[in-house]
Amino acid sequence: DSGVTQTPKHLITATGQRVTLRCSPRSGDLSVYWYQQSLDQGLQFLIQYYNGEERAKGNILERFSAQQFPDLHSELNLSSLELGDSALYFCASSVSARSGNTIYFGEGSWLTVV
Amino acid sequence: GENVEQHPSTLSVQEGDSAVIKCTYSDSASNYFPWYKQELGKGPQLIIDIRSNVGEKKDQRIAVTLNKTAKHFSLHITETQPEDSAVYFCAASREPGGGADGLTFGKGTHLIIQP
Repeated sequence: DSGVTQTPKHLITATGQRVTLRCSPRSGDLSVYWYQQSLDQGLQFLIQYYNGEERAKGNILERFSAQQFPDLHSELNLSSLELGDSALYFCASSVSARSGNTIYFGEGSWLTVV
Repeated sequence: GENVEQHPSTLSVQEGDSAVIKCTYSDSASNYFPWYKQELGKGPQLIIDIRSNVGEKKDQRIAVTLNKTAKHFSLHITETQPEDSAVYFCAASREPGGGADGLTFGKGTHLIIQP
């Protein structure tokens, strides 16, 4: 158990809908990362937050957004969903982006868009 | 941005033999190279990492080598065991924790340990 908690574990929704994925980082970790894993694209970095502030942005679509709350948990919002958004979404956390500490991944949220 | 190529995509070895997975990267500014193991239904788990100021790092049966000049790094697993069966990912970034671009991952290698 990495200590990173993600909910829900599985989610099935229709095209055009909006979903929210939730992540609780390891206790004490200030940085939260979101990654998307699909068969064709592999593991893709989406976005990183550090202590509530956006720190880095990767291949995140404009239809997607994220935030990190004062209690350090994070949410990834996916809207206007398309079939191609079906993937495994991972949250990861570390103490800080510069400390060199390990990035720990959660078990993922499996999103299926039908 | 960074591009990481990983080979092979599938590797089958006999139990007890060694396994080697290779990765190349494109960004000469990359300085941090972790390896993650992903078992079915679980998230990636860090197994070893190396920074650019060293050429080799070993942890029991696992070792990683780095050649910065050639921009490639490799994972070596000796005396393979059934529990080593998983998908292994290499990654690269400019700094530990991913930095401005996050970790860039290879496509993964499915390691199969044959009994």
